[in-house]
Amino acid sequence: DGGITQSPKYLFRKEGQNVTLSCEQNLNHDAMYWYRQDPGQGLRLIYYSQIVNDFQKGDIAEGYSVSREKKESFPLTVTSAQKNPTAFYLCASRNRGPTGNTIYFGEGSWLTVV
Amino acid sequence: AQTVTQSQPEMSVQEAETVTLSCTYDTSENNYYLFWYKQPPSRQMILVIRQEAYKQQNATENRFSVNFQKAAKSFSLKISDSQLGDTAMYFCASGGSNYKLTFGKGTLLTVNP
Repeated sequence: DGGITQSPKYLFRKEGQNVTLSCEQNLNHDAMYWYRQDPGQGLRLIYYSQIVNDFQKGDIAEGYSVSREKKESFPLTVTSAQKNPTAFYLCASRNRGPTGNTIYFGEGSWLTVV
Repeated sequence: AQTVTQSQPEMSVQEAETVTLSCTYDTSENNYYLFWYKQPPSRQMILVIRQEAYKQQNATENRFSVNFQKAAKSFSLKISDSQLGDTAMYFCASGGSNYKLTFGKGTLLTVNP
């Protein structure tokens, strides 16, 4: 089936550790995005990539890093510099359809610092 | 910079009735897009409806329709014949040419039997 796959669904991190969240899509979409959602809040953009080997910071990039070596993959690393990483993380990708662009989301990953 | 405001943190409606969720936005872009997403308890973000700002006609998807007032920067969502499965968090979002979406804080809609 085509779609966006995020893994793991649940992840626990100890203080001072880096962790990487995986995002893979087989939709042949060029653009990919990472969002963070905190309780009672909307989504906030962390990083986005319009094309392979290129990415830009979003509104809350500090403490995060990404790579885009393949069109299908856009992993997000939460570094120890991110002071409050506990949140729900959503990956998305964008298609260019005949009726316009649409953004589709993966099922998300929960990250908890223990 | 873009901002999106949803002024109703929570709303409730009886099954089969109609409900309208409010959204206002501000953007400096000339070409932009507006979206409503639904987030059920599973946390999956599901696209409900989208609107291109250059189109005057309001978008409609089955029981869901929008009232797009460009001059007022208003983008409300109307849900007709509400169903129990419509219970979810609803987010309004706007995006420009690069589709960097800015989201509102959401409205929790509860459909009562």
